[in-house]
Amino acid sequence: DAGITQSPRHKVTETGTPVTLRCHQTENHRYMYWYRQDPGHGLRLIHYSYGVKDTDKGEVSDGYSVSRSKTEDFLLTLESATSSQTSVYFCAISAPRQDQHGYTFGSGTRLTVV
Amino acid sequence: QKEVEQNSGPLSVPEGAIASLNCTYSDRGSQSFFWYRQYSGKSPELIMFIYSNGDKEDGRFTAQLNKASQYVSLLIRDSQPSDSATYLCAASNAGNNRKLIWGLGTSLAVNP
Repeated sequence: DAGITQSPRHKVTETGTPVTLRCHQTENHRYMYWYRQDPGHGLRLIHYSYGVKDTDKGEVSDGYSVSRSKTEDFLLTLESATSSQTSVYFCAISAPRQDQHGYTFGSGTRLTVV
Repeated sequence: QKEVEQNSGPLSVPEGAIASLNCTYSDRGSQSFFWYRQYSGKSPELIMFIYSNGDKEDGRFTAQLNKASQYVSLLIRDSQPSDSATYLCAASNAGNNRKLIWGLGTSLAVNP
């Protein structure tokens, strides 16, 4: 998607290993979000950021940490991956006029923990 | 618990018909509402937003908002097979760090 990219697109990792997913935006937006999406659960917020070094937990933050050292990058780390963290992960950014633009999503990262 | 509820479907309509997708929300403080379309294996993409009571039209899409009833709907006229996707409804309370409250989505199948 224009202005927001996620990497990697696909990853297979072993249980117990740390994993970092990257979200990069070129829009200079203040707000960034990490979601996971699973069948039957929809989009669930993991962590979000409202500025450089300003982050907060979402509804499913256990086992995850985030960092935002620059406006353009928002990193999601699975500290010790478990099979329950197998999911599709989406990053999203919020434009200044969120009431009219909602979120723009990245293309997603499909993570498999074996 | 702030919630957005949608029928999971699948909603099946013939090509050329009107598809009607519905959404209710619990937070009376919600101010803006969004409809996203998500194709299988892809990310959600915004197709409509609405924040005033009444109807808002954009091409074949019409969003309807009734704040008194806490109800949002999306009508797709002249449905096409390419409209087959999952439609996500989301609500925003501007004071909530811009966090959206998401429904689980309604699966729409348009049959040729």
